[in-house]
Amino acid sequence: DIQMTQSPSSLSASVGDRVTITCRASQSISSYLNWYQQKPGKAPKLLIYVASSLQSGVPSRFSGSGSGTDFTLTISSLQPEDFATYYCQQSYRAPSITFGQGTRLEIK
Amino acid sequence: QVQLVQSGAEVKKPGASVKVSCKASGYTFTSYDINWVRQANGQGLEWMGWMNPNSGHTGYPQKFQGRLTITRNTSINTAYMELSSLRSEDTAVYYCARGCSSTSCYQENWGQGTLVTVSS
Repeated sequence: DIQMTQSPSSLSASVGDRVTITCRASQSISSYLNWYQQKPGKAPKLLIYVASSLQSGVPSRFSGSGSGTDFTLTISSLQPEDFATYYCQQSYRAPSITFGQGTRLEIK
Repeated sequence: QVQLVQSGAEVKKPGASVKVSCKASGYTFTSYDINWVRQANGQGLEWMGWMNPNSGHTGYPQKFQGRLTITRNTSINTAYMELSSLRSEDTAVYYCARGCSSTSCYQENWGQGTLVTVSS
């Protein structure tokens, strides 16, 4: 099984900050990496697919990069609505998928 | 627009089974896999399994094999997730999500979630 490890597990930041979340796969997954945002009591929302493609309707302050085993999600200038939990997910072994453990982004 | 609408909350006793439905609309049901993902309170997302609604083929991680069954009724565009031998650790919100097509693989659309509580 492919394991996905996110860092950090939690992060405190302020509005306007630039934030980077890292996701590492236990083996190469090429670019088959997706990012989701989840707010309390809501279903996850797709932000980024195949490592760097921005989902329609997602603000351009979100970006993704990486390939192989190391990936990043960057928020260029945090907005109040961005405080949430973020998950990476591999689809290299699709239809079997794996999520990272999540990164909780909190207001400083 | 694409919608996945799940059945309502359930309360079950340990050892019982639960069956959650997921009704799809706004797209061709047989063109995309359906995934089931669960989330215990305060915990992360846990993938439970997938189904190809066209063929009926399914796949489950070892953790759920023997206890999880995913089925569908293509005449009403509905997928089902049935989990048996419930225990307290199965208390969670269960989500269905539209999964892979022939050209892409990400979960763009999700159901609203169904809370399953296992308690004696």
